[in-house]
Amino acid sequence: ETGVTQTPRHLVMGMTNKKSLKCEQHLGHNAMYWYKQSAKKPLELMFVYSLEERVENNSVPSRFSPECPNSSHLFLHLHTLQPEDSALYLCASSPLVQGPANTGELFFGEGSRLTVL
Amino acid sequence: RKEVEQDPGPFNVPEGATVAFNCTYSNSASQSFFWYRQDCRKEPKLLMSVYSSGNEDGRFTAQLNRASQYISLLIRDSKLSDSATYLCVVNIRGGSYIPTFGRGTSLIVHP
Repeated sequence: ETGVTQTPRHLVMGMTNKKSLKCEQHLGHNAMYWYKQSAKKPLELMFVYSLEERVENNSVPSRFSPECPNSSHLFLHLHTLQPEDSALYLCASSPLVQGPANTGELFFGEGSRLTVL
Repeated sequence: RKEVEQDPGPFNVPEGATVAFNCTYSNSASQSFFWYRQDCRKEPKLLMSVYSSGNEDGRFTAQLNRASQYISLLIRDSKLSDSATYLCVVNIRGGSYIPTFGRGTSLIVHP
């Protein structure tokens, strides 16, 4: 049983659709992340939220819009995506994000596999 | 230069072999280091943290060389179940410390 739950697990959408990915963590963590994993590439950090405030946005296109209404929930809103956005989107949480004492251990959800047609 | 670099492999080894992976990082202010394991079509999971003094967990040994800015993972007596991708993770210092992943090293252990 994972402490981080992502829905949907699979999503197929057209380029004109609007959809959202959802992530929920039951671990009492303060930070949540969205990562993108494409084939043959390292995990790319998209967004980090710490204590519900966005800490870092890694120059992700505006067609991806994150929302973090509270420390347990994280959304990724998708709009007018491109086929190259097809990837596995992984949500993760960690106990804290700021400071050198950050242990850095991330707890991942199982991912949402997105296909853009 | 990429922030975290790994040889993607694959490393193809027989059962019982010893195999070592290296990972280099570019940011000298990096504070903490980890190895994650990712099985095919699964999410990454923490394998072990990497401490300055080196640390061991069963068949797995991790070491950190701050002067040369690399970390290593040694797997002894490889098992078929060790077949996976091993991800090097470094907390890169920007405004905060952000976990940054290498592209991973693929290990295939064969009978």
